[in-house]
Amino acid sequence: SAVISQKPSRDICQRGTSLTIQCQVDSQVTMMFWYRQQPGQSLTLIATANQGSEATYESGFVIDKFPISRPNLTFSTLTVSNMSPEDSSIYLCSVDLQAARGPGGYTFGSGTRLTVV
Amino acid sequence: QKEVEQNSGPLSVPEGAIASLNCTYSDRGSQSFFWYRQYSGKSPELIMFIYSNGDKEDGRFTAQLNKASQYVSLLIRDSQPSDSATYLCAVNDYKLSFGAGTTVTVRA
Repeated sequence: SAVISQKPSRDICQRGTSLTIQCQVDSQVTMMFWYRQQPGQSLTLIATANQGSEATYESGFVIDKFPISRPNLTFSTLTVSNMSPEDSSIYLCSVDLQAARGPGGYTFGSGTRLTVV
Repeated sequence: QKEVEQNSGPLSVPEGAIASLNCTYSDRGSQSFFWYRQYSGKSPELIMFIYSNGDKEDGRFTAQLNKASQYVSLLIRDSQPSDSATYLCAVNDYKLSFGAGTTVTVRA
């Protein structure tokens, strides 16, 4: 299965600052997904990132707050901008291997645990 | 996002017993379904996927799908303490929508 490297693994940030999270996949994938998991909660999709086009954001998430880059088929970044304590969550990137390798489901990176103080 | 509901937990079972996890989904057109296991502090790990009505078995895990009832379940046979985790049901319509998860504790 694909290896997904996500960094940083954790960070503590001051409110009002921004953090960029990187996600690197060891194979080319069409779509990359960014999720948020708030403490004690399930996963919520933030946006879908396709190479060469603007990311598609889910309801409740906007580009100004969560800008995404997708410069090529193996890499994406998510920036959490102007952070507040409510942004303290785990952020996860995910890729869908199904199209490339047959049924396989989605694989997740190891996550970035963000604490905003 | 699509609605995905899981039976509320936590679920506590003795070692060696069967743990039964249930999930319903709102979109009748949904085609593929996944079960993830998430250990505390870790990212979700795919354990089962199912596309067709009926049962699918993989080791001690059995996924069951009933599209008419919009229902998918996961059975864990011969539960082990290492199965203690949160289990997430997900529905795939070109992106995953997750249920809230059910936390399972297997008592030794």
